[in-house]
Amino acid sequence: IVLTQTPLSSPVTLGQPASISCRSSQSLVHSDGNTYLSWFHQRPGQPPRLLIYKISNRLSGVPDRFSGSGAGTDFTLKISRVEAEDVGVYYCMQITQFPLTFGGGTKVEIK
Amino acid sequence: QVQLVQSGAEVKKPGSSVRVSCKASGGTFSSNAIIWVRQAPGQGLEWMAGIIPIFGSANYAQKFQDRVTIIADESTSTAYMELTGLRSEDTAIYYCARGVLPGWSGYDPADWGQGTLIIVSS
Repeated sequence: IVLTQTPLSSPVTLGQPASISCRSSQSLVHSDGNTYLSWFHQRPGQPPRLLIYKISNRLSGVPDRFSGSGAGTDFTLKISRVEAEDVGVYYCMQITQFPLTFGGGTKVEIK
Repeated sequence: QVQLVQSGAEVKKPGSSVRVSCKASGGTFSSNAIIWVRQAPGQGLEWMAGIIPIFGSANYAQKFQDRVTIIADESTSTAYMELTGLRSEDTAIYYCARGVLPGWSGYDPADWGQGTLIIVSS
């Protein structure tokens, strides 16, 4: 399964929203009825951090300015008001089917 | 909170092998997936393989099928990733990560090791 993220780069003004798209080459609906699409944030020099799983579920401790949505093959990560700590690269990942795959990444930077 | 501590950076010759360890402390080791992901310099994330220690059998990305082996030692709560036939393109940071969520979401890598830099150079 190929995950395609857009845009590759997203310059954002502090306090403004940001949106990242992740499109899958095939449906991510699992045989159990769930859709296993996740979002990660990686800062330079750090390992990735899981933010959202199963499309829209925030991991404990993730600020509520992060939200995920979508279904089937099209998914979106939104940051309602970008803060300085949100810069870095965001990746989507699917765990519906082996081999697990990541999107190519979207770099969020401050204008 | 599970902590994953990986072995240190290594420089390897082309054609050789490398073994990276990943020791877990805290949490339950046996029933959650351990995933290996690599990241070449300036590049994105690449899933390599995964294993649930209590089940023992591993899943591999086809790209690495013939060159990578992962195991999980429940007695020491340590996972290992061995990559053979190293080439310059294998230069990367190798991460282990662990799932903590229930059900199939256990394959979501929620806790990450610090990463191990492997440099392949003659």
